[in-house]
Amino acid sequence: SAVISQKPSRDICQRGTSLTIQCQVDSQVTMMFWYRQQPGQSLTLIATANQGSEATYESGFVIDKFPISRPNLTFSTLTVSNMSPEDSSIYLCSVEGQGTEAFFGQGTRLTVV
Amino acid sequence: AQKITQTQPGMFVQEKEAVTLDCTYDTSDPSYGLFWYKQPSSGEMIFLIYQGSYDQQNATEGRYSLNFQKARKSANLVISASQLGDSAMYFCAMREQHGSSNTGKLIFGQGTTLQVKP
Repeated sequence: SAVISQKPSRDICQRGTSLTIQCQVDSQVTMMFWYRQQPGQSLTLIATANQGSEATYESGFVIDKFPISRPNLTFSTLTVSNMSPEDSSIYLCSVEGQGTEAFFGQGTRLTVV
Repeated sequence: AQKITQTQPGMFVQEKEAVTLDCTYDTSDPSYGLFWYKQPSSGEMIFLIYQGSYDQQNATEGRYSLNFQKARKSANLVISASQLGDSAMYFCAMREQHGSSNTGKLIFGQGTTLQVKP
């Protein structure tokens, strides 16, 4: 199984600022995924990050708001830009395992004030 | 379009009893994977169990088993001998397929909050 370290675990940020979330995996993986979970809601995919190419964003999410980096096969970052209270959510990174598994980081609980 | 439905917003179970959490799915692809996750109040997503569409037998992992009824498109999670630590949100998810390609993306249901009573 893959071990994923996600940082920070939580943060309280001022509106208009940006926060970068880091995700480190203990093994090389092709695809990494970033999800958002708004309060009381289910998880929604923000984007898929492949090493060496631009991230692929889901409908409703744009690169200017959620820029993603994927510099190598074990690391990715998601930035939440120009934050507003509506961005208060849990953000989670995820990777595939051996085809029958999908693992998540510990999540970043973001509160925007 | 692929879809996951969990119709039970909340469930209660007595400690040491078994409980079934419902999940139905909709897909036109013959190949798919189904997952169950536990999310405690800390927010982390804990992988519980996986069922592949071609698996002949229902998946089991310790106290967790998956009641897979392919014709009904249901994949219910059964937790046996409930413990207080089982109190959490539970999500059913399906791995998205596009033809023969596995996109790796997961589509989640709305979740079920389980509370275990002492």
